[in-house]
Amino acid sequence: GENVEQHPSTLSVQEGDSAVIKCTYSDSASNYFPWYKQELGKRPQLIIDIRSNVGEKKDQRIAVTLNKTAKHFSLHITETQPEDSAVYFCAASKATGNQFYFGTGTSLTVIP
Amino acid sequence: GAVVSQHPSRVICKSGTSVKIECRSLDFQATTMFWYRQFPKKSLMLMATSNEGSKATYEQGVEKDKFLINHASLTLSTLTVTSAHPEDSSFYICSAREGLGNQPQHFGDGTRLSIL
Repeated sequence: GENVEQHPSTLSVQEGDSAVIKCTYSDSASNYFPWYKQELGKRPQLIIDIRSNVGEKKDQRIAVTLNKTAKHFSLHITETQPEDSAVYFCAASKATGNQFYFGTGTSLTVIP
Repeated sequence: GAVVSQHPSRVICKSGTSVKIECRSLDFQATTMFWYRQFPKKSLMLMATSNEGSKATYEQGVEKDKFLINHASLTLSTLTVTSAHPEDSSFYICSAREGLGNQPQHFGDGTRLSIL
């Protein structure tokens, strides 16, 4: 089965700096990679996703990159703000499967 | 769009009680619904996957007789924690997906279950 690893587990950055979270996956058949943001006590919310037919996707201050050869994908947050503080989860899935395989999460703290 | 409603948001009950949690997709038809358990500061642990009209598929180590899942329609799935005990106290979250595995899952707000 798929194995998704996520690093780092905790990350602190100064407001305005960039934050990068990395994930690796093991199943080369995985072709969909979403990122979720979960604030304390709330639901995980989809913030960006990428499919294996593209290498990069950007939405304002958030971007995701995918390297299919190396089987890793990363979340980039630029100009971080305190409201970016949350736990971020990556995931991998494939069209023929049913479930998402989630990473272990990264707790991001943006220091004002 | 893609709103998932989960109720109740919080349950406090005595040991031995059975608790039912509902998960509804409000504006789309959910081909598949998922039930997760989340411990404090931990990742989402998949408990089971359910498709409308068929039996749920449980992950290894999850007792199917303890956690009853029903997916009676394309918009509703329920999780019943039977004869709950303090060790069942946790944060339970459902999610729903329209279509195949490479489509987003949309999460409910979660249910905080506390068994006294």
